[in-house]
Amino acid sequence: GQQLNQSPQSMFIQEGEDVSMNCTSSSIFNTWLWYKQDPGEGPVLLIALYKAGELTSNGRLTAQFGITRKDSFLNISASIPSDVGIYFCAGWNSGGSNYKLTFGKGTLLTVNP
Amino acid sequence: GAGVSQSPRYKVAKRGQDVALRCDPISGHVSLFWYQQALGQGPEFLTYFQNEAQLDKSGLPSDRFFAERPEGSVSTLKIQRTQQEDSAVYLCASSPTTGLAGYEQYFGPGTRLTVT
Repeated sequence: GQQLNQSPQSMFIQEGEDVSMNCTSSSIFNTWLWYKQDPGEGPVLLIALYKAGELTSNGRLTAQFGITRKDSFLNISASIPSDVGIYFCAGWNSGGSNYKLTFGKGTLLTVNP
Repeated sequence: GAGVSQSPRYKVAKRGQDVALRCDPISGHVSLFWYQQALGQGPEFLTYFQNEAQLDKSGLPSDRFFAERPEGSVSTLKIQRTQQEDSAVYLCASSPTTGLAGYEQYFGPGTRLTVT
């Protein structure tokens, strides 16, 4: 099935560093979302983006929705050990028979204390 | 309050066996989704329920996969004659809304299915 293109696939950083990851798609989405998944758990929603060009923050997290609605990035500032996990971008379109989230393959983040 | 729960958390099945995976959504949530997550991949949509109605089953990979939500709460995903390629984590998610805000999904911990 279709998946979004996320990069990088993995990152290994030192505690306190800033992190940036991005996501692109060949399709337009009405809403872009960023999730975090811990081992053995389901994804948890971090940030939702609704408008093209929108920049949204949630604590140390900042995400932007691309102008073309085909891309997004997520920044994490001053990383801490509990930021470890897999980060997924996801696109959502509603209307008609579309009810599905389309996910990227994820970025594995490791933070070295 | 309780989140989405799934059972069993782990299931090992021999090839050809039938399995049933259960999802208990958050009470009162209208929407329920099933996803399949293969190792190293993001979740992939399987099917969607609004109350007891299955509105989208376009992601079910074959007719061996069947899902139901007869009373609009608990849902069961059944896989008949399991194959090795069915090995994955099966995630259930529920949402209090439909339509535009249906992305607000709360995920369960998943059931890890291993077919040997």
